[in-house]
Amino acid sequence: AQSVTQLDSHVSVSEGTPVLLRCNYSSSYSPSLFWYVQHPNKGLQLLLKYTSAATLVKGINGFEAEFKKSETSFHLTKPSAHMSDAAEYFCVVSFTGGGNKLTFGTGTQLKVEL
Amino acid sequence: EAEVAQSPRYKITEKSQAVAFWCDPISGHATLYWYRQILGQGPELLVQFQDESVVDDSQLPKDRFSAERLKGVDSTLKIQPAELGDSAMYLCASSLTLAGVRNNEQFFGPGTRLTVL
Repeated sequence: AQSVTQLDSHVSVSEGTPVLLRCNYSSSYSPSLFWYVQHPNKGLQLLLKYTSAATLVKGINGFEAEFKKSETSFHLTKPSAHMSDAAEYFCVVSFTGGGNKLTFGTGTQLKVEL
Repeated sequence: EAEVAQSPRYKITEKSQAVAFWCDPISGHATLYWYRQILGQGPELLVQFQDESVVDDSQLPKDRFSAERLKGVDSTLKIQPAELGDSAMYLCASSLTLAGVRNNEQFFGPGTRLTVL
């Protein structure tokens, strides 16, 4: 079985400060991991994905995530938050033998304040 | 840029009524997914198609939900009869191929927000 746990349901940061959204995963197989973002009234958009290549993955809009197998973590970071980053973020796991099935975390709502 | 289309965007219905949602995937995408996202939760897969065939419908409440993709292109998800607990966002996604190709990105549509009164 595979699952992800997003450790914070809400995160609030000031504009220009770093962002850290935490995610731990559980998978019986070598996982693939993703971060998706969901803005209000818009579809889910892929930020980045880990596919067993480099453990530090760079995504769009300045986001990156590091796969740490020993900690079973895949935390999402950004050096400097922008107001436009305010959205819901989902950590997602899948594995090749699972038919590309995605298992989503419960989401972290990111608030960016002036 | 190609997008997944869904309609309607919003639907309000009364319990025991029938509702239907439509999805048109990105052209050329053989795999189509329907997800349900309850408020405050992450999306959960309801059904997955490869072309016109159902690959996974293990989480689809088959007593009231049905899904079809007759020509392997667009798809319809139906609920009959609707219940109060069906209020949620219904998301459609598509991807190029199924298993064997690692980590095919799924592209999501804007969703249909269903409210059952």
